[in-house]
Formats: sequence, structure tokens, C-alpha cells
Amino acid sequence: GAGVSQSPSNKVTEKGKDVELRCDPISGHTALYWYRQRLGQGLEFLIYFQGNSAPDKSGLPSDRFSAERTGESVSTLTIQRTQQEDSAVYLCASSPRTGSGYTFGSGTRLTVV
Amino acid sequence: DAKTTQPPSMDCAEGRAANLPCNHSTISGNEYVYWYRQIHSQGPQYIIHGLKNNETNEMASLIITEDRKSSTLILPHATLRDTAVYYCIVRVTPFSQKLVFGQGTRLTINP
Repeated sequence: GAGVSQSPSNKVTEKGKDVELRCDPISGHTALYWYRQRLGQGLEFLIYFQGNSAPDKSGLPSDRFSAERTGESVSTLTIQRTQQEDSAVYLCASSPRTGSGYTFGSGTRLTVV
Repeated sequence: DAKTTQPPSMDCAEGRAANLPCNHSTISGNEYVYWYRQIHSQGPQYIIHGLKNNETNEMASLIITEDRKSSTLILPHATLRDTAVYYCIVRVTPFSQKLVFGQGTRLTINP
């Protein structure tokens, strides 16, 4: 597609439930990133995939968070046993290996009630 | 990645040039300067990047000092739609490492 697509755009879930967020990167982009942005705050790095290399998971805040990516296609970010502090906009970005810059999606707004 | 310092906020009149400064005094020789912006409720948008030469594209110009310890993003004719948070980031490229976003500069364009 023309841009990075994320779904759903909005998600309201009850505390303790699991959620799965999806990211479709730009075709041909080998790198994919997940960021989190809480209300009124900056972007917080979560995880980065580059081709078939082991992902950089250094930003994942707890073992309730996990992400997968198959090859250079879709990625899913899973949050288990959601907590209210998980409420945020989750942003996905992709870039080509030669990296002129990231292209971000519009994000998924997650609200845990 | 080198740390950057930006003013927390700036104002600019519509139609005037907006000049956003960034200090990156610990930048190393192979680190590029990137600029992104985030308009309210949207994902960040790539603007421009450079190594040591000044760069210009359809969105902005990037002026990097000779010692590379600071840079300025210039929006030549600011419009109300340029109101956003602007992030200056330094990183090694082309290999895609994570970008570390600081707090950025909140630029407000006034009519």
C-alpha cells in the first residue's frame, strides 16, 4: 500500500483482557518499529524488526508485551492482561534498509477501562 | 546515539520563516541529523535529514554548522498547518536502528 496501515484505529478493552494490534508496513520496507505514546508525552520505543535478524526488544516494558513479524510483512503487537497504564497510542513505522526516514502509521489508540 | 537539545516551545507568525534550533554537541562523524514532526493526533512525519552539507527539500531546509555540533531546521513560509512538535534526532544510518525521540520543540504558528 501507499502507507503504513494500522488496525484497529481505536480499541477499548477491559482490564485483564488480551489485545492484539496489527501493522501493515510499506511493501519492500525491511525494517519495522513499534512505539508507544501516552497522552501528552513523547514517543517511547518498544521493539524493532530488521529483516530476518533477531528483533531488538529492549523497549518492551514488561513480559506482558510481545510482538511478532513474519519475514518483511505484517507485524502484530500483543499485550496480555492489559492494565490501565497500557492506555496509549501505539504507533508502527517502517523504513527501507537504506533509511531515508521512517514512515509512521496513524496509530492504534488503546484505552483500558 | 548522541543526545540532542531543543527549546521546548517556539512561536512564529504565519508567512514568516520558522527557524528551529537543535544542539547535538556530542555527535560523532558517522551520525546523521534527522528531523521529524508530529501534528496533533497524527503519527510523526519525516521532514529531512543530513550529514554535514546543508539540505533542502519541498518541506524545509536543514542548515548544519561546520563543526556539526548544532543545526537549524528552516520552514521558509510557515503556515498554520505547520503547528506541530518538531523532533531533532541524531543516529547512524543507513542501517535502521531505533530512533530515540526526545521532547522536541512545540512550534505554534500564529495568524
